Amino acid sequence: SYELTQPPSVSVSPGQTASITCSGDKLGDKYACWYQQKPGQSPVLVIYQDTKRPSGIPERFSGSNSANTATLTISGTQAMDEAVYYCQAWDSSTAVFGGGTKLTVL
Amino acid sequence: QVQLQQSGPGLVKPSQILSLTCAISGDSISNSAAWNWIRQSPSRGLEWLGRTYYRSKWYHDYAIFVKSRITINPDTSKNQLSLHLNSVTPEDTAVYYCARALGIAVAPFDFWGQGTLVTVSS
Repeated sequence: SYELTQPPSVSVSPGQTASITCSGDKLGDKYACWYQQKPGQSPVLVIYQDTKRPSGIPERFSGSNSANTATLTISGTQAMDEAVYYCQAWDSSTAVFGGGTKLTVL
Repeated sequence: QVQLQQSGPGLVKPSQILSLTCAISGDSISNSAAWNWIRQSPSRGLEWLGRTYYRSKWYHDYAIFVKSRITINPDTSKNQLSLHLNSVTPEDTAVYYCARALGIAVAPFDFWGQGTLVTVSS
């Protein structure tokens, strides 16, 4: 079965740039999307089709996807961005999620 | 604005059936979206369970690891979908979400229900 791998944690200082990676076999040939989940809340879509932002998502969130790695980048990270971030892709009509990355803003 | 309101019991006994409902507002279950069930547990993270969608008739896709135990049904009269997972074990303890995907092929999950914690225990 297809797998997506994320680092368990990433730390960033306020105002700096955070990058969270998601690795999978030939992931660049698929569309990747990213979800933000804060404690006690449902996931929220922040990036879809590799680079697109849904309405209401700040411009500081951006994405890329090439070869075997998709990357979520948060520019000018704010304290409110502290959350767990999950990547997701589709493989053979099955949705696959990464294990999640805890972003700490300190 | 699409809203998904989940309901169902929070406690199910082992070997019994887990049943949840997701009421849809702001969209029609028969439109072009696909309607999904996803669960989340500390040990296994987010797991997609399956979906239903309408393209002249109803279709279903299920994750391989639950395919023998799961049924997702649309109810067009109530504009809702249901999840039934039978022969549950404690490993099925998780927060269950319904979610909309705008399409079939590679669509992301753009709206989620509030989540329902289901505990499997005697």
